Amino acid sequence: QVQLQESGPGLVKPSETLSLTCTVSGGSINDHHWSWIRQPPGKGLEWIGYIHYTGTTKYNPSLKSRGTISVDTSKNQFSLKLTSVTAADTAVYYCARDRSIHCGGDCYYYYGMDVWGQGTTVTVSS
Amino acid sequence: ETTLTQSPAFMSATPGDKVTISCKASQDIDDDMNWYQQKPGEAAILLIQEGNLVPGISPRFSGSGYGTDFTLTVNDIESEDAAYYFCLQHDTFPYTFGQGTKLEIK
Repeated sequence: QVQLQESGPGLVKPSETLSLTCTVSGGSINDHHWSWIRQPPGKGLEWIGYIHYTGTTKYNPSLKSRGTISVDTSKNQFSLKLTSVTAADTAVYYCARDRSIHCGGDCYYYYGMDVWGQGTTVTVSS
Repeated sequence: ETTLTQSPAFMSATPGDKVTISCKASQDIDDDMNWYQQKPGEAAILLIQEGNLVPGISPRFSGSGYGTDFTLTVNDIESEDAAYYFCLQHDTFPYTFGQGTKLEIK
């Protein structure tokens, strides 16, 4: 079955760029969409954005254009970069498969996240 | 943005109990609601997708609702059900989540 594993630095300095990678195993990244989600300490979950293997992306406007999601199909990985981080970006970051079905052209039907990684904690601190 | 109001934030149950968790959407989301279970340090597990029990999930779990009001029901509670439960709406972007419910088993 499909499994996801997040990796990346656990500590990032304020104003720098947070970089995380999600490795997909047990299945191909060339299907469905792939999302990043985060949960700050003591707060609820926040969807960051998704990517399709074709490179199509969609982001949560709350990020104010600081986030970029990319995909490397040769490695079956997708990544998140978040620039100009502050303490407010301290969170557990999760990657997940966003199950979707192609209905022709640019049309997709989305079923929401069905497989999640365990999450990785990122702390923003000097 | 669609806001999901999930309640209660915390609940305690005894083995054999039936528990219900509510998620109310700020606008009509049809049946585009999922429910998840998460235990500390583990990946979240999809329990209910658009009102349907996910294959492999115990039939003690069920989901209902349409439009703005949704409910997750757990029958015959077991100690292994102690976890964090949350809802997700995937009707409109950005996807949004409920604030979560921590279920404790006495």
